[in-house]
Amino acid sequence: DAKTTQPTSMDCAEGRAANLPCNHSTISGNEYVYWYRQIHSQGPQYIIHGLKNNETNEMASLIITEDRKSSTLILPHATLRDTAVYYCIVRPTYNTDKLIFGTGTRLQVFP
Amino acid sequence: KAGVTQTPRYLIKTRGQQVTLSCSPISGHRSVSWYQQTPGQGLQFLFEYFSETQRNKGNFPGRFSGRQFSNSRSEMNVSTLELGDSALYLCASTGAGTEAFFGQGTRLTVV
Repeated sequence: DAKTTQPTSMDCAEGRAANLPCNHSTISGNEYVYWYRQIHSQGPQYIIHGLKNNETNEMASLIITEDRKSSTLILPHATLRDTAVYYCIVRPTYNTDKLIFGTGTRLQVFP
Repeated sequence: KAGVTQTPRYLIKTRGQQVTLSCSPISGHRSVSWYQQTPGQGLQFLFEYFSETQRNKGNFPGRFSGRQFSNSRSEMNVSTLELGDSALYLCASTGAGTEAFFGQGTRLTVV
């Protein structure tokens, strides 16, 4: 079973920041937080991942709370092309590349 | 570099038949994972191969099987197809970097 809980859906105005929360209260010390998104039945696309520290790349920022029990994915300036289902996944750091997907958050960006 | 290639992209089969799907990972990637996506169950992990060995297996019946070749290419097979096997089958490859790259999937329809 997925170890994460996410809101079912969210809306965001184009050009505004989209903040997608994720709860992973049972995360272990050796587990990463990964974010992927899936745009209408295409293969999921990697966005970002982190272990303890906040991370930023060209797509997004990931904020992980100090106790690591929750995180927030931030898309700083959402565009219509960011409309997708966003998955937050907890993954061990070793011995497997398996991803357990939950139900994700359907983000709708509107003009 | 080339991404993950899945063939065929679309397939229609009759109940009771068997099917083989193919996945060519990104060059240099040794880990290949397979997922099934249906509207009712979402994205579910099928199995994972690393260096020709099955490393993890999801909760699917024995009709679902897979293998990986020495060049890291992978196949999955479903025997005695059922209507409920209609789904998008996704393959992901993982290399020395920790993120998984997904193919576009094979959409299987069982009639």
